[in-house]
Amino acid sequence: AQTVTQSQPEMSVQEAETVTLSCTYDTSENNYYLFWYKQPPSRQMILVIRQEAYKQQNATENRFSVNFQKAAKSFSLKISDSQLGDTAMYFCAFGSNQFYFGTGTSLTVIP
Amino acid sequence: SAVISQKPSRDICQRGTSLTIQCQVDSQVTMMFWYRQQPGQSLTLIATANQGSEATYESGFVIDKFPISRPNLTFSTLTVSNMSPEDSSIYLCSVDQLAGDHYNEQFFGPGTRLTVL
Repeated sequence: AQTVTQSQPEMSVQEAETVTLSCTYDTSENNYYLFWYKQPPSRQMILVIRQEAYKQQNATENRFSVNFQKAAKSFSLKISDSQLGDTAMYFCAFGSNQFYFGTGTSLTVIP
Repeated sequence: SAVISQKPSRDICQRGTSLTIQCQVDSQVTMMFWYRQQPGQSLTLIATANQGSEATYESGFVIDKFPISRPNLTFSTLTVSNMSPEDSSIYLCSVDQLAGDHYNEQFFGPGTRLTVL
């Protein structure tokens, strides 16, 4: 069975600083995808970034980037130049035939 | 990307009653999913709803408690039956769409916040 672990229930960062959210997962599959989802206080879940497991290059989307370590089964999210609008719950997710979500990290960006 | 709407957005219900949540997608999708998100928790998959067949329920969830309908490729309903305060949660509908050459992406509705008194 797949498991996704986020060991940081809460984090905070000063505006304009950089923060890294951790995620590890466990699977025996070789082909899968990893995602970071953001859920602001308004509740709508949106995709932040995704990574295909077969790609070695780390995905980047503007201020968001990942550090994907396949052998270590690690998939961290780095947010650069943090903005107030980044305040949200962040969920790491594993996707193959089914999606599995971590328990989330509540990120607060401090003005 | 799929656009998903849910009705109602929130409701407060009495113990022992039932509530049906509607999920509408702006495009045809094969698989629709219903999740529960309890306060401060992550998402837990309740069931997968495919059009034309019975829903597939995850461990801990049963059809009698959470009956699901999937009458067509753009619509589904989830009923929370015989509610108790433990059913207070956010219920999220999502769909799975091919978003690239090799992968699917999940798109989520805005959720239904249910409070059971």
